[in-house]
Amino acid sequence: TQLLEQSPQFLSIQEGENLTVYCNSSSVFSSLQWYRQEPGEGPVLLVTVVTGGEVKKLKRLTFQFGDARKDSSLHITAAQPGDTGLYLCAGAPIQGAQKLVFGQGTRLTINP
Amino acid sequence: NAGVTQTPKFRILKIGQSMTLQCTQDMNHNYMYWYRQDPGMGLKLIYYSVGAGITDKGEVPNGYNVSRSTTEDFPLRLELAAPSQTSVYFCASSLFSLTGGNTGELFFGEGSRLTVL
Repeated sequence: TQLLEQSPQFLSIQEGENLTVYCNSSSVFSSLQWYRQEPGEGPVLLVTVVTGGEVKKLKRLTFQFGDARKDSSLHITAAQPGDTGLYLCAGAPIQGAQKLVFGQGTRLTINP
Repeated sequence: NAGVTQTPKFRILKIGQSMTLQCTQDMNHNYMYWYRQDPGMGLKLIYYSVGAGITDKGEVPNGYNVSRSTTEDFPLRLELAAPSQTSVYFCASSLFSLTGGNTGELFFGEGSRLTVL
């Protein structure tokens, strides 16, 4: 079973600070997705990265896929209270790409 | 556009009871999934389906059954409820492909919170 480890599991910072969330594995993935989940709702896709070394930006959020396609990071610049939520990474295995493997999540709290 | 609809949103079961969680999607997606989410554990795949009449086991299928008679519906059956099945269950659908500009995005329902006492 392929595993994705997210770190940190919990992060509480002040508004305006920068932060990075990591998603690591010993396995290679064909693609990697990041989702954000609000309480009482299902996860919502933020981004999909496919190519090793790929960087995608979504306003203040920067996503990077590792060169070897085994890891990814999410960097948030100048965090805002609206960024609060559970962030989940999900990898598509090389074999059976439809069976996404999810990390355990990073619960982010941005304090005003 | 409703997307993925799950019912019920909340349910309490006694040990040994049976129930079905309903899931329907109106996006004509070929792939459908059932996940469970336990605190601090992320999402674990229970069963998935690549189209009507085709289902397969995920990572944690024991104690569950599914069927896919139509493209739209993918119910999850719990036959003999156990406390270990207390969790939040999410149904999702996808037009799975990473070609032609598709992202392989999973569209999730709002979840069904199940408690087994």
